[in-house]
Amino acid sequence: EVQLVQSGAEVKKPGESLKISCKGSGYSFTSYWIGWVRQMPGKGLEWMGIIYPGDSDTRYSPSFQGQVTISADKSINTAYLQWNSLKASDTALYYCARPREAYTSSSHFDYWGQGTLVTVSS
Amino acid sequence: NSMLSQPHSVSESPGKTVTISCTRSSGSIVSNYVQWYQQRPGSAPTTVIYEDDQRPSGVSDRFSGSIDRSSNSASLTISGLKTEDEAEYYCQSYDSRNVVFGGGTKLTVL
Repeated sequence: EVQLVQSGAEVKKPGESLKISCKGSGYSFTSYWIGWVRQMPGKGLEWMGIIYPGDSDTRYSPSFQGQVTISADKSINTAYLQWNSLKASDTALYYCARPREAYTSSSHFDYWGQGTLVTVSS
Repeated sequence: NSMLSQPHSVSESPGKTVTISCTRSSGSIVSNYVQWYQQRPGSAPTTVIYEDDQRPSGVSDRFSGSIDRSSNSASLTISGLKTEDEAEYYCQSYDSRNVVFGGGTKLTVL
């Protein structure tokens, strides 16, 4: 069974750093891209970027380029989303998601993690 | 603003049919596949339509997708509405190599 299990909720202060994770299981982790999607409170879905764990090829939405870092450790089947200096506006629910088809980033997201709530407040 | 525009909300009665549009503002709607996701409160999104008009296994045949070149838009149609269909619906496509979501449509079944 394909599963994406994300790390737990985080409460941080502005300026702090954070790295959240998404562990894949039940499939060949290095064969599928993994994307990250932000959902701010009461708002819609925003695509942040995507990584191919097989070779760490990474693409960012222009809106998030330079604001976050996406990485992956294929030895432990885990993808990461990282901030160096959080802002209050980073408060959101963050989902990881896997496309339906292997090897392509242009396939709909078929599997989603449960979401990680990040709260940034002083 | 997203290049995919959706109505903010729609409402319809149980048993009726509703159509949610997704209009592409730049580029052709047929240049990339369109997906539709359903998101119920407190849950992750799930796919109800992929590749314009394909239905994943397990999704009711009451859900259908279509493309209209003339209006440069995609549509999600839900027939025989049930209260359980009440949710937020998002269209999704691509712009160059970027994934793009529409702003979402809140469907109320009353």
